[in-house]
Amino acid sequence: GDSVTQMEGPVTLSEEAFLTINCTYTATGYPSLFWYVQYPGEGLQLLLKATKADDKGSNKGFEATYRKETTSFHLEKGSVQVSDSAVYFCALRPNRNSGNTPLVFGKGTRLSVIA
Amino acid sequence: GAVVSQHPSWVICKSGTSVKIECRSLDFQATTMFWYRQFPKQSLMLMATSNEGSKATYEQGVEKDKFLINHASLTLSTLTVTSAHPEDSSFYICSARAGSRSGNTIYFGEGSWLTVV
Repeated sequence: GDSVTQMEGPVTLSEEAFLTINCTYTATGYPSLFWYVQYPGEGLQLLLKATKADDKGSNKGFEATYRKETTSFHLEKGSVQVSDSAVYFCALRPNRNSGNTPLVFGKGTRLSVIA
Repeated sequence: GAVVSQHPSWVICKSGTSVKIECRSLDFQATTMFWYRQFPKQSLMLMATSNEGSKATYEQGVEKDKFLINHASLTLSTLTVTSAHPEDSSFYICSARAGSRSGNTIYFGEGSWLTVV
């Protein structure tokens, strides 16, 4: 079945460090790919998405490129801030004709950025 | 933009009682909503798919008699945890997919923290 694997945390970085959170997926066809962020005590927020191969999603300095050949959607940010401390979830939505299909999530990666 | 509102955000209840959580799509109609559950330091696990006007579809291992889902209108789905026990304490979150005018984006509610004592 469809699945998402992302690197386990926690990840602890100093402010202004470079961030990479790896995410790979298993799915048939061409799923849509997402990164969601969960700040402490809050619900999920969509961070960025990509719907087809080679698309790059970007938002708030974060980027991720849909790589079909490596089935990956790694999240990157050039310079993290303390306010980026959160849990990041990689997710996919299978491409099925039924339309409304639920997301499949990775386990989440907790990021802590220290000043 | 499209918003999904979930209520209550926090609830504490006694063991054996029932708790209802509401999920509303505020400015779009959602024929389908999804309910997820998240244990501490775990990923979100799909519990069930809520279909307006029909029975919910539950994932394997989710007790449908314990987690009652009602999707009575195009903007409201409710999850009722019946006879709650401490092991039901968790973060429950719903999501709904907006239509093409909102880019078919999936929106999440703010989530509900349930603590059963």
